[in-house]
Amino acid sequence: SQQGEEDPQALSIQEGENATMNCSYKTSINNLQWYRQNSGRGLVHLILIRSNEREKHSGRLRVTLDTSKKSSSLLITASRAADTASYFCATDSGGSYIPTFGRGTSLIVHP
Amino acid sequence: NAGVTQTPKFRVLKTGQSMTLLCAQDMNHEYMYWYRQDPGMGLRLIHYSVGEGTTAKGEVPDGYNVSRLKKQNFLLGLESAAPSQTSVYFCASRLQWSYQPQHFGDGTRLSIL
Repeated sequence: SQQGEEDPQALSIQEGENATMNCSYKTSINNLQWYRQNSGRGLVHLILIRSNEREKHSGRLRVTLDTSKKSSSLLITASRAADTASYFCATDSGGSYIPTFGRGTSLIVHP
Repeated sequence: NAGVTQTPKFRVLKTGQSMTLLCAQDMNHEYMYWYRQDPGMGLRLIHYSVGEGTTAKGEVPDGYNVSRLKKQNFLLGLESAAPSQTSVYFCASRLQWSYQPQHFGDGTRLSIL
């Protein structure tokens, strides 16, 4: 069963625009991770945010975490056609090292 | 440094046939995982291992077996393939700490006719 659920399921934007996708989860977590998956490839790790952190940045990526709302958001600024991919959130809970993945957001960036 | 390598990349099987998918990692990771990815379903955990010689069931283990005889290798076996096992299979590995990300292979695309 999915712990995290991404929203929206699909997002279509123009190059240069910002893209925001959200992840909601059900139980308390140790950390939350965001991954990108290009078509026909495996998942690639983007950012990991711990439960005691509220915001992290990596290049054009900004991740926020609101543990009171059990939600996270991934913002991609100044998007590029190369950002076209599926984006997944994954959560680690309790003493488990078994991340639980959401169903993903499919992002299309039009040149 | 190849990371996580999955073999084969593609395979077509007939119902009832058996096969083994190989995952190899060269990062000395303790934890290894097998997932399947189906359209609209995200990633579902089949089996995982927390170290050499150990395996455990995940969310959807039926019809699959695994072995971790060497730390760097994690094998996924299909005993008697069924059309419902048509999927893309991903292997991942991770250091023994929860604040480390998973590293994924590029997947094995398996079709069962």
